[in-house]
Amino acid sequence: AQSVTQLGSHVSVSEGALVLLRCNYSSSVPPYLFWYVQYPNQGLQLLLKYTTGATLVKGINGFEAEFKKSETSFHLTKPSAHMSDAAEYFCALIAGTGRRALTFGSGTRLQVQP
Amino acid sequence: EAGVTQFPSHSVIEKGQTVTLRCDPISGHDNLYWYRRVMGKEIKFLLHFVKESKQDESGMPNNRFLAERTGGTYSTLKVQPAELEDSGVYFCASSPGVRQETQYFGPGTRLLVL
Repeated sequence: AQSVTQLGSHVSVSEGALVLLRCNYSSSVPPYLFWYVQYPNQGLQLLLKYTTGATLVKGINGFEAEFKKSETSFHLTKPSAHMSDAAEYFCALIAGTGRRALTFGSGTRLQVQP
Repeated sequence: EAGVTQFPSHSVIEKGQTVTLRCDPISGHDNLYWYRRVMGKEIKFLLHFVKESKQDESGMPNNRFLAERTGGTYSTLKVQPAELEDSGVYFCASSPGVRQETQYFGPGTRLLVL
């Protein structure tokens, strides 16, 4: 069975600082990996995804993530945090032949301090 | 293009009552998914429709939950009778038809069972 672990349920950074949200996965087959963001009172919005090919994936709003198979990681980064980045972030994967269900991590709430 | 919509946005019911949640996917999307987030836990998959057929219902917790998708368009998720542990946020998502593609999420229905 596959699983996703997000280290840190809450992360706080200063405006302008580096954002690093950690995600590790477990899967017996090559996974498709996703980062979603949920702003208050809104649905989940896709930030970026890795399917195949280039392991460094760029997404919306200046975010990027790197798929590292040897470390089973897919950490999310942004060089400079903005107040508008405050939200909850979810790492997720799809794995297994034929299945399309997303398996989510428990989420990381990002707080950005002025 | 309209996104995924869900109704109602909030529902408060008493234990033992019935509640029906509705999801309207993006037009033309054959795949429709239901997920649930119980407070403090990760988002978990409930089931997956392809058009009007249930493709994967491995995440349905028990037979108090009944999902339908009429004519391959909107879907309903009925909980009867509701229990306290059913409280949480119910998300619906849709996607066109390829396995690694983005699932587009609705804003969710917040269900509270008292």
